Amino acid sequence: DVKVTQSSRYLVKRTGEKVFLECVQDMDHENMFWYRQDPGLGLRLIYFSYDVKMKEKGDIPEGYSVSREKKERFSLILESASTNQTSMYLCASSPGGGTLYNEQFFGPGTRLTVL
Amino acid sequence: GEDVEQSLFLSVREGDSSVINCTYTDSSSTYLYWYKQEPGAGLQLLTYIFSNMDMKQDQRLTVLLNKKDKHLSLRIADTQTGDSAIYFCAESIVGSGNTGKLIFGQGTTLQVKP
Repeated sequence: DVKVTQSSRYLVKRTGEKVFLECVQDMDHENMFWYRQDPGLGLRLIYFSYDVKMKEKGDIPEGYSVSREKKERFSLILESASTNQTSMYLCASSPGGGTLYNEQFFGPGTRLTVL
Repeated sequence: GEDVEQSLFLSVREGDSSVINCTYTDSSSTYLYWYKQEPGAGLQLLTYIFSNMDMKQDQRLTVLLNKKDKHLSLRIADTQTGDSAIYFCAESIVGSGNTGKLIFGQGTTLQVKP
């Protein structure tokens, strides 16, 4: 079974802090994604990566950056956390290969609160 | 741009059928997906349908696709309290690096009353 793990389930940080959210997948997937989930807004894509060291902006990249130094690990960085970044953050991965079928496998999520 | 719309809330009685509806905009989507999110958990794939199909049935789940109207629905027969969750519809598009991306709807919270 594919397993996607996230470093923390719950995180509380202060405004202005630098925050790292880590995600690891164990199925050698090419693609990795970071979403944030807010009530009534569904999942919105922040960044994705289709290869090591490759990254692309999603729909809401402002205030975030990412790092993918190893294939299995994709990190989301909040350079200076703000209260409007309080949210649930979900990581996902999917196989590459340009297939049309694009099932994504999700981690359990990190609920981040910024005070 | 691409957009997926769902109603936010549905309440049914245990044993009834539930129908969750979704509309999408990208007519080139090849696969459409339904994901389920239980409280405090990530999303899990529930079922999917290929765009050249009208219907797919999987035990208590029936997916209907009207490609002309870009309308997708998920029917859950004999709904149980364990079906209470948020259900997300998603369409697939191709992004940079030939990466398959998913566009998600807002999610429909299904409440099942005993």
